[in-house]
Amino acid sequence: GEDVEQSLFLSVREGDSSVINCTYTDSSSTYLYWYKQEPGAGLQLLTYIFSNMDMKQDQRLTVLLNKKDKHLSLRIADTQTGDSAIYFCAESPREVTLTFGGGTRLMVKP
Amino acid sequence: DSGVTQTPKHLITATGQRVTLRCSPRSGDLSVYWYQQSLDQGLQFLIQYYNGEERAKGNILERFSAQQFPDLHSELNLSSLELGDSALYFCASSQWGQGNTEAFFGQGTRLTVV
Repeated sequence: GEDVEQSLFLSVREGDSSVINCTYTDSSSTYLYWYKQEPGAGLQLLTYIFSNMDMKQDQRLTVLLNKKDKHLSLRIADTQTGDSAIYFCAESPREVTLTFGGGTRLMVKP
Repeated sequence: DSGVTQTPKHLITATGQRVTLRCSPRSGDLSVYWYQQSLDQGLQFLIQYYNGEERAKGNILERFSAQQFPDLHSELNLSSLELGDSALYFCASSQWGQGNTEAFFGQGTRLTVV
């Protein structure tokens, strides 16, 4: 089945690291994705990881993938107030489309 | 700017009515996807078209239909509208099937049914 789960809410202080977690069920996804949605805006692709990788780093973003546990995480270093948004993880079953988690609302306090 | 254009940005209509949402994909993208985002259901995949042909169907109601035209733009038709159809409707395009994995989203059309 296709089911992606995330925690609903995360609050951090500016300058701290944020870690957003996600679990997924479909092991056929070749890639796993993180999208960001700011208020009133569409979804913006932040990063993605190939399913045979354990880690991918892209500037302040680090993606960790535990394929055995079907667990994906997104770490944002030095979190800024501009990072406040909803973050969605997504899998791509059979690479046809994206199945999204419910989204994690990240609030960054100054 | 993702390169995906959706019109209109906002739409308010009454129950029982029919509306058409339009999407222009990024230049060169053959795949178009429609998603519905509501508070209670989250982001739900509705339907995908690839080069004019329906390729995959998700949780799309029978009252809803879509098509992709020869110029690759797509329209989502919503009929016999109900209050529960109020949501943000996103279109996305990608080059899946052409060797690229990224999907780019439009800004969405916010539909309010009153």
